[in-house]
Amino acid sequence: LAKTTQPISMDSYEGQEVNITCSHNNIATNDYITWYQQFPSQGPRFIIQGYKTKVTNEVASLFIPADRKSSTLSLPRVSLSDTAVYYCLVGEGGSSNTGKLIFGQGTTLQVKP
Amino acid sequence: DAGVTQSPTHLIKTRGQQVTLRCSPKSGHDTVSWYQQALGQGPQFIFQYYEEEERQRGNFPDRFSGHQFPNYSSELNVNALLLGDSALYLCASSLATRVGQPQHFGDGTRLSIL
Repeated sequence: LAKTTQPISMDSYEGQEVNITCSHNNIATNDYITWYQQFPSQGPRFIIQGYKTKVTNEVASLFIPADRKSSTLSLPRVSLSDTAVYYCLVGEGGSSNTGKLIFGQGTTLQVKP
Repeated sequence: DAGVTQSPTHLIKTRGQQVTLRCSPKSGHDTVSWYQQALGQGPQFIFQYYEEEERQRGNFPDRFSGHQFPNYSSELNVNALLLGDSALYLCASSLATRVGQPQHFGDGTRLSIL
């Protein structure tokens, strides 16, 4: 499974757009890119998953360039409740429902009023 | 539609004791994975169960063992507890035949070792 690198922490203000970039230079052809969100004392919650180009759902967008060596999670108009740790994962079948997930330290996003 | 449920939510044990944690997967899921999350760290994969057998294992000692039942629920057992076993233990479930679908996590069991 490919290793990922993402910033340890980020600060933002309410109403701003937040972009968190993840590097995965050794991504394999079959690998998907998946992002999870985690609040203190709760389990990780699936946000979004993609393979290439752009994916958008009701909470976020995921931008993946053609070489797939990085990806950017975009959170539009964040609120205080978006303060959490965000994990970028890369693996076969995306979150690899048939395999293990390898989590890094994640990015701690602090949204200020 | 019930999500992943874990019990108990909190547990306090002393060194050398044994503990059993329980997990019920999301309705319709057949695969259960266990993770250990130390404070300030990302979750670390312990093992995964499918069809009542351990299918994959992470870098954890044999003190960590598990079981999956015919109804797909699962147990995590830890023997000879050490202070370093204090952590949040997370269970995740998925459906093996749906490749590319995300794993769903429970909110974990907080285990404290005194």
